[in-house]
Amino acid sequence: QKEVEQNSGPLSVPEGAIASLNCTYSDRGSQSFFWYRQYSGKSPELIMFIYSNGDKEDGRFTAQLNKASQYVSLLIRDSQPSDSATYLCAVIGMDSSYKLIFGSGTRLLVRP
Amino acid sequence: DAGVTQSPTHLIKTRGQQVTLRCSPKSGHDTVSWYQQALGQGPQFIFQYYEEEERQRGNFPDRFSGHQFPNYSSELNVNALLLGDSALYLCASSLDRNPSTDTQYFGPGTRLTVL
Repeated sequence: QKEVEQNSGPLSVPEGAIASLNCTYSDRGSQSFFWYRQYSGKSPELIMFIYSNGDKEDGRFTAQLNKASQYVSLLIRDSQPSDSATYLCAVIGMDSSYKLIFGSGTRLLVRP
Repeated sequence: DAGVTQSPTHLIKTRGQQVTLRCSPKSGHDTVSWYQQALGQGPQFIFQYYEEEERQRGNFPDRFSGHQFPNYSSELNVNALLLGDSALYLCASSLDRNPSTDTQYFGPGTRLTVL
């Protein structure tokens, strides 16, 4: 079992819709959760981080964390074609306090 | 506010050669981590440097080594290059406050091609 799992996609949504990206992790003691966006040929760019159970909103983005289910998600409201990218979920585990453990990413395609 | 910078942008080497990649952290940051990203995969942690010491290492062979300088900049060295070392090498910087929550910011990366 991979430490961080994401559906590779592509997830295709029409412009203006809500895109929902999901991530599960195996280390129950994981402390911190990050979402990065990566455009093709570019480096990852931090979108949001979340540490506590529940929702955290920042503009059009909402991160949701459920530690009991070992599940973290990212919602993108009013999706725009410029949101088309690969979204990487990353986790800092309990016994690996310094390293980010990444999933393979979900490719999002927003259709105009 | 200067972000994370890396050099060179692209590099082509042949098998068996050695390479050095460089990174300058974001202004105010003191910690540098290096990641390797193969095509279609998420970044994989190589190691992290703090106070000029390797603080944590991922599952990479000893061919991968690094250094951090007093000004917090860092180098990644790879010896005896293999074809499989072809990847995007990412440097990330952070400020060491709480290891469990420190946010890492990535530089633009160095694309290494091994022929």
